[in-house]
Amino acid sequence: GENVEQHPSTLSVQEGDSAVIKCTYSDSASNYFPWYKQELGKRPQLIIDIRSNVGEKKDQRIAVTLNKTAKHFSLHITETQPEDSAVYFCAAILRNNNDMRFGAGTRLTVKP
Amino acid sequence: NAGVTQTPKFQVLKTGQSMTLQCAQDMNHEYMSWYRQDPGMGLRLIHYSVGAGITDQGEVPNGYNVSRSTTEDFPLRLLSAAPSQTSVYFCASSYGLAGSGDEQFFGPGTRLTVL
Repeated sequence: GENVEQHPSTLSVQEGDSAVIKCTYSDSASNYFPWYKQELGKRPQLIIDIRSNVGEKKDQRIAVTLNKTAKHFSLHITETQPEDSAVYFCAAILRNNNDMRFGAGTRLTVKP
Repeated sequence: NAGVTQTPKFQVLKTGQSMTLQCAQDMNHEYMSWYRQDPGMGLRLIHYSVGAGITDQGEVPNGYNVSRSTTEDFPLRLLSAAPSQTSVYFCASSYGLAGSGDEQFFGPGTRLTVL
């Protein structure tokens, strides 16, 4: 079936370093790719998203890139801070525009 | 605005019991959805609704029922609870469809344990 693969499952970086999380998707018709951050015991919150007609989008220290040909997209966090520590989920919307499929998540730890 | 609210926060059921998880939003959002979150599996869509009176199945609908009689409320019913339904359940809402680019707002979650 349709799915989203996310790597790595855990990522540990030193404060100030960059972090990159990668996702691949299977439905070539997918056209919307959000990223969510979930802190321990909290609800997921949208941090950035990208549409299929755009190759890259930035918001301060966060950026997302999309390669439609290869069907993969990535989250880039620069100058990481301890408060960036959380679980990050990528997602892709299926062609019916209602069914969102999530990756399994990446636990990011930023060491001070 | 209270945003998206869910009750209860925690629930323990015995196998075979039924219950309803409540979800409400006060943002006049048309799209509402239910997800379950299991360790190492991300979130999986159970059911969704694009407006009052309209519901449809998501990725994992078996064992769950929904209805949408008002714009504000979207309850999730477990008909006969099974241990495999032990999970954290999140309700979410957005102004437009999930793929519209409108932000989906999540509720605080309900942690359900089925013994």
